[in-house]
Amino acid sequence: DGGITQSPKYLFRKEGQNVTLSCEQNLNHDAMYWYRQDPGQGLRLIYYSQIVNDFQKGDIAEGYSVSREKKESFPLTVTSAQKNPTAFYLCASSIGNSLNQPQHFGDGTRLSIL
Amino acid sequence: KQEVTQIPAALSVPEGENLVLNCSFTDSAIYNLQWFRQDPGKGLTSLLLIQSSQREQTSGRLNASLDKSSGRSTLYIAASQPGDSATYLCAVISAGGTSYGKLTFGQGTILTVHP
Repeated sequence: DGGITQSPKYLFRKEGQNVTLSCEQNLNHDAMYWYRQDPGQGLRLIYYSQIVNDFQKGDIAEGYSVSREKKESFPLTVTSAQKNPTAFYLCASSIGNSLNQPQHFGDGTRLSIL
Repeated sequence: KQEVTQIPAALSVPEGENLVLNCSFTDSAIYNLQWFRQDPGKGLTSLLLIQSSQREQTSGRLNASLDKSSGRSTLYIAASQPGDSATYLCAVISAGGTSYGKLTFGQGTILTVHP
């Protein structure tokens, strides 16, 4: 089945540790996105990528990093510089021209601090 | 900067009732508006997408309308069922300004349909 797979479902981070969230899609979509969701709030854009080997900062990129070495993969690293990383992280993808195409979402990764 | 607001924040209705969820956005320069459903601990499922040139979209018991000039959209759910219980999110793709090309979300409406 075509879709977006995020792993792990739950992740715990120790102080000063970097962690990486995985996002893989087999929809052959060009664009991929990372969002953060906090309780009672809408989603906020962290990073997005319209094409392989290119990505742009979203509204809350500080403390995060990404790579886009393959079309189907867009991993997100939460670095130790992110002081409040506890949140629900959602990955999405869309056909190249995202302005008129819907974004499709994975099931999310919940990150907590130990 | 585009801002999206959803009212009410939470809604509880008995099964079978028709209901309306509201969404408003501050910048009317949009490409489209999308309604999503989110079940607890899950990702988002796209329900309806309305292009800026359209007035409404329908899918089954769902009908979404768009009044771009006034910056408003409504999601109408007919004959609600307990299985409709979820958080409903509205989002717009902006056509200008600092939010250009980005999907901006409202905070969601938590819907509970009780038997």
